[in-house]
Amino acid sequence: EDQVTQSPEALRLQEGESSSLNCSYTVSGLRGLFWYRQDPGKGPEFLFTLYSAGEEKEKERLKATLTKKESFLHITAPKPEDSATYLCAVQLYTGANSKLTFGKGITLSVRP
Amino acid sequence: DTAVSQTPKYLVTQMGNDKSIKCEQNLGHDTMYWYKQDSKKFLKIMFSYNNKELIINETVPNRFSPKSPDKAHLNLHINSLELGDSAVYFCASSQAALGRGNEQFFGPGTRLTVL
Repeated sequence: EDQVTQSPEALRLQEGESSSLNCSYTVSGLRGLFWYRQDPGKGPEFLFTLYSAGEEKEKERLKATLTKKESFLHITAPKPEDSATYLCAVQLYTGANSKLTFGKGITLSVRP
Repeated sequence: DTAVSQTPKYLVTQMGNDKSIKCEQNLGHDTMYWYKQDSKKFLKIMFSYNNKELIINETVPNRFSPKSPDKAHLNLHINSLELGDSAVYFCASSQAALGRGNEQFFGPGTRLTVL
């Protein structure tokens, strides 16, 4: 069965302490891997899409990378406003219509 | 301007009642979705419509019936509500169902509480 696993479940960082969030997947036929940020009481906010191994994308303090088995979301010198839940999702080549399968998310807390 | 909007934001109701949630997107997208996020924050797709046509229908009780009057609107009607239906329901839209550039944009969610 296709699976998306995110680790750790929760991460607490000091402001300025860089780290990485992991998203591993056991799927066949990956069309794309998506990263979203979700703040409490709000809908997920799109961050990045990665389509092929070796691809990297950056936005401010965030950088997403992709291999054939996993994706990392690197956070450089995080600030308290980066505190949120980060979700990854995979989209597969399955038939005429593809859907997103989400991981359970990583809750990041950044202390000032 | 809100891209994907949902109403209501909160919905509290008794078991056995019927309720609807409405969703509208002003992005000009062709594809819309309904997701359910349970108490453990796990986000799971329920339905997807492309140009008013149902294209994804996951294993969802038939008490849930989506309706798309036009490609900018996707409503969710729930009959005979049960305690287990309590969750946050998110609407989303994307430019297309397939291909690059089909990132999904989510609404703010509707928190449904069944008493």
